Amino acid sequence: KAGVTQTPRYLIKTRGQQVTLSCSPISGHRSVSWYQQTPGQGLQFLFEYFSETQRNKGNFPGRFSGRQFSNSRSEMNVSTLELGDSALYLCASSAEFREEQYFGPGTRLTVT
Amino acid sequence: EDQVTQSPEALRLQEGESSSLNCSYTVSGLRGLFWYRQDPGKGPEFLFTLYSAGEEKEKERLKATLTKKESFLHITAPKPEDSATYLCAVQGAQKLVFGQGTRLTINP
Repeated sequence: KAGVTQTPRYLIKTRGQQVTLSCSPISGHRSVSWYQQTPGQGLQFLFEYFSETQRNKGNFPGRFSGRQFSNSRSEMNVSTLELGDSALYLCASSAEFREEQYFGPGTRLTVT
Repeated sequence: EDQVTQSPEALRLQEGESSSLNCSYTVSGLRGLFWYRQDPGKGPEFLFTLYSAGEEKEKERLKATLTKKESFLHITAPKPEDSATYLCAVQGAQKLVFGQGTRLTINP
């Protein structure tokens, strides 16, 4: 079974721009979660989608948004980028809520 | 608020030297405790799920245990390829909360 895939793997953006990251979950998984990982804060939960509905949201500003499509693929958008948004953005999928999550390789975002 | 604290932050061992990593947690209604391994530049790799106090899981040189307040990841006779950051996470009512991780280095 193919694992979780994320595109692009690396991205460099300028302050004020916006960015869209993509995630394809493991086949059959309906839950997709997004995380931000930085050296100082560790892994921080952004949001979780299940069957195209956002079920949970972390403590991030409204500039961070996401969506899930009918095929369970998910996108995450960050608008008006700030330097502090530079991080590794990880997507994880699970078959059902509260089961183990399987992570993708991440998208490394650098904001200059 | 759900919290996870891992100790030590970093640990250096000689090949074959067994040790344990600690994960202390506070959560309202534990629905699962997870251990992950993360190599530099990669996403976390799932290792174990524990659901109730007293439960144990094993995989090769790793063994995870769970009590009501903490979990331990025991590593027996480690090899250099076991070097990685080990992350602990708890699933509460709404979201998965991660600890900061323990960076483990095994010297040959």
